[in-house]
Amino acid sequence: SHELTQPPSVSVSPGQTATITCSADALPKQYASWYQQRPGQAPVLVIYKDSERSSGIPERFSGSSSGTTVTLTISGVQAEDEAEYYCLSADSSNSYWVFGGGTKLTVL
Amino acid sequence: QVTLKESGPTLVTPTQTLTLTCSFSGFSLNSFGVSVGWIRQPPGKALEWLGVIFWDDDKRHSPSLKNRVTITKDTSKDQVVLTLTNVDPLDTATYYCAHAGAENDWGLDYWGQGTLVTVSS
Repeated sequence: SHELTQPPSVSVSPGQTATITCSADALPKQYASWYQQRPGQAPVLVIYKDSERSSGIPERFSGSSSGTTVTLTISGVQAEDEAEYYCLSADSSNSYWVFGGGTKLTVL
Repeated sequence: QVTLKESGPTLVTPTQTLTLTCSFSGFSLNSFGVSVGWIRQPPGKALEWLGVIFWDDDKRHSPSLKNRVTITKDTSKDQVVLTLTNVDPLDTATYYCAHAGAENDWGLDYWGQGTLVTVSS
């Protein structure tokens, strides 16, 4: 089965850079997307196709990919970025999609 | 303007069938490269992808649900229906529908507000 592994939590101070990883269990890796979810709200698409920023998302959000790992980077973290972040990707044959377990970003 | 809204029962009895409707506007599920997906989130837990239906009526669903999920579309009403059979208290969750398009490589770019479904006797 297709699994995506994220760290449960990441903490950074305002203005620093936050890095959240998402590791797939096997190759070939399909493109991934990233979602920000604040408490009590629906998720918001942040990044798609590994590194493309969704419309309206600040430039401080960026995505990258290497091997079986995709990474969401938030440069110059702001207090409003505190949220849960999820990656989403399909299995190797595009038969189904899976979310990672989520990473809680805390801005200290 | 793209909008989606989920509707259905808030309380379901174990072993029954849950049926949820996603009513949308601002796009057509007849158009090439369009899809609507279903996602759920148990209270305090992670998002779980349930399934998707594409413009050409292709459908995919999560293997973890072991064929309990069915997704259909009614393009005349701009609706997508999720059916989940033999529900269990573990199916208690907020259920979301979301739009995804080929132009975003199927990223879920518009979401409904979600609807909380409780499974309990």
